[in-house]
Amino acid sequence: SQTIHQWPATLVQPVGSPLSLECTVEGTSNPNLYWYRQAAGRGLQLLFYSVGIGQISSEVPQNLSASRPQDRQFILSSKKLLLSDSGFYLCAWSAWELATNEKLFFGSGTQLSVL
Amino acid sequence: AQKITQTQPGMFVQEKEAVTLDCTYDTSDQSYGLFWYKQPSSGEMIFLIYQGSYDEQNATEGRYSLNFQKARKSANLVISASQLGDSAMYFCAMREEFSAGNMLTFGGGTRLMVKP
Repeated sequence: SQTIHQWPATLVQPVGSPLSLECTVEGTSNPNLYWYRQAAGRGLQLLFYSVGIGQISSEVPQNLSASRPQDRQFILSSKKLLLSDSGFYLCAWSAWELATNEKLFFGSGTQLSVL
Repeated sequence: AQKITQTQPGMFVQEKEAVTLDCTYDTSDQSYGLFWYKQPSSGEMIFLIYQGSYDEQNATEGRYSLNFQKARKSANLVISASQLGDSAMYFCAMREEFSAGNMLTFGGGTRLMVKP
């Protein structure tokens, strides 16, 4: 069965420090991978998605970047964090098939606080 | 324009009663899928139910059903016999047939609180 791992669960970082959040998927090949951000009490905003190794699409211009160095690994990074980067970050995957009924499976999330 | 609109930021329901969470969507695609997810306070996102645009019958999954009205572009979630454990955020989402990266677009969510 497929599983998705996301870490760390919580992170407190000072403004201007770098960031690296990692997500890995097991039990599937060539998944579509996604990074979403959720502000407190709000909906999910898609940040990045990837349909293959090295292929990254950005949905929102911002202080963050993403990379996919391996098929089932997705990394969210920043060189210098801003206060506005605080939020709950969720990694997700779906099967590569272009079907409207493909579910999105989520990791457990990372609560990032930038102080 | 918002693709997914959830107009109820918060709702209360008495335990054991039914509740409807509203969701309207906007798309020009003929083929699309609609999803509901539950997010408890732990933060995890739990898939609840799916409705395809060509499905003629409303989807049901246990105590969850989806009231799909295609002409009105609404996909309301109905939870029957509410339980205390149903207290959570609920998100409606849509995948359009030709969405880039096969992505899901989410609404702003509704916080449901079940009263004992």
